Amino acid sequence: RKEVEQDPGPFNVPEGATVAFNCTYSNSASQSFFWYRQDCRKEPKLLMSVYSSGNEDGRFTAQLNRASQYISLLIRDSKLSDSATYLCVVLGNNAGNMLTFGGGTRLMVKP
Amino acid sequence: SAVISQKPSRDICQRGTSLTIQCQVDSQVTMMFWYRQQPGQSLTLIATANQGSEATYESGFVIDKFPISRPNLTFSTLTVSNMSPEDSSIYLCSVSGTALSGANVLTFGAGSRLTVL
Repeated sequence: RKEVEQDPGPFNVPEGATVAFNCTYSNSASQSFFWYRQDCRKEPKLLMSVYSSGNEDGRFTAQLNRASQYISLLIRDSKLSDSATYLCVVLGNNAGNMLTFGGGTRLMVKP
Repeated sequence: SAVISQKPSRDICQRGTSLTIQCQVDSQVTMMFWYRQQPGQSLTLIATANQGSEATYESGFVIDKFPISRPNLTFSTLTVSNMSPEDSSIYLCSVSGTALSGANVLTFGAGSRLTVL
């Protein structure tokens, strides 16, 4: 089982739609969780951290479920500019505090 | 967050040759990392570049293949040695910072896209 697992997609959605991605992680001792966004041929950039209580940033909502070991990202009112790959990133509780990246979920928002 | 300059942005190389990628940060940082992203895949940590000591390599990566230098707190290089087509990938430099939550977050350079013929 991969340490951090995501559905690769692609998720093809129309503008204005609501779309949600899940990400599962295997290390129950993981400390911190993030969603990164990577545009085509660009470097990953931090989209948002994921807090235990859930957090919202505009149209984006991130949630953490420690019992089931997954995090989610919800995007409301999708824009064309949301088209990208969304990477789930987990900070493990191991030596060196290494970040582990999921394989990414590709989102394509269409007019 | 830190601003990272990475070069070359891309290169096409012959097998058997070596390429050195440079990473310059606009501020002093303790932790610098080198990642690889192979086509269609996610990021894999190659090594942590330590200032004043040898880099710390992850499983599957060795110093002879990926020598790293870290002469100061703002600069690092990664060399891809004796390249083969399997080394074709994007190589990304990153630095660690702290989010408002206190958690570690990474900022990445724009990456170096390497194609080995």
